[in-house]
Amino acid sequence: GAVVSQHPSRVICKSGTSVKIECRSLDFQATTMFWYRQFPKKSLMLMATSNEGSKATYEQGVEKDKFLINHASLTLSTLTVTSAHPEDSSFYICSARGSAGGRETQYFGPGTRLLVL
Amino acid sequence: GESVGLHLPTLSVQEGDNSIINCAYSNSASDYFIWYKQESGKGPQFIIDIRSNMDKRQGQRVTVLLNKTVKHLSLQIAATQPGDSAVYFCAENRANAGKSTFGDGTTLTVKP
Repeated sequence: GAVVSQHPSRVICKSGTSVKIECRSLDFQATTMFWYRQFPKKSLMLMATSNEGSKATYEQGVEKDKFLINHASLTLSTLTVTSAHPEDSSFYICSARGSAGGRETQYFGPGTRLLVL
Repeated sequence: GESVGLHLPTLSVQEGDNSIINCAYSNSASDYFIWYKQESGKGPQFIIDIRSNMDKRQGQRVTVLLNKTVKHLSLQIAATQPGDSAVYFCAENRANAGKSTFGDGTTLTVKP
């Protein structure tokens, strides 16, 4: 149990276009999901906390108009990178809070590799 | 501010040996710690966690030790196998925050 999926797994786009990444909790409901960004050989950096039915909470330094987050249901959160530029190229990982085996913790998706040309 | 860090960025061990990966944290309010394993091109995978009211927790081939006095935790992997090769992150979490703050990661390489 407690599986989180992301789609797409890999995307290449032209500079100036927008890209939407989906994060789904497959077998549990997640009122809270998190979006992380990871550069090569670096740690995960939290971008924002996504709450179902309300606005996302962004970390300091993350542009909310650049990275649009929508958490429309208890199993789906989306991250849209608007007007993407090469510096937005990164590995984007979502996670969802859920319970499995009596323990509540974060379950991570497999990540989405974004390359902006 | 708070930070979570690991002592060494890389660790190389021989197959069958035990591995010890260390982590230091600075926020004394942290009450929940998690170790994650991340393989290349994949998301982090939960390994084991520990709450601040404990100092040791064991799983299958893994043990986490927590020393709150010096704000240090470690991950011990017994009989390390090639499949254990990955980047290991410690993360700090507070019950009222719900989100994990990650350390820098240690790359574990297991030599056959």
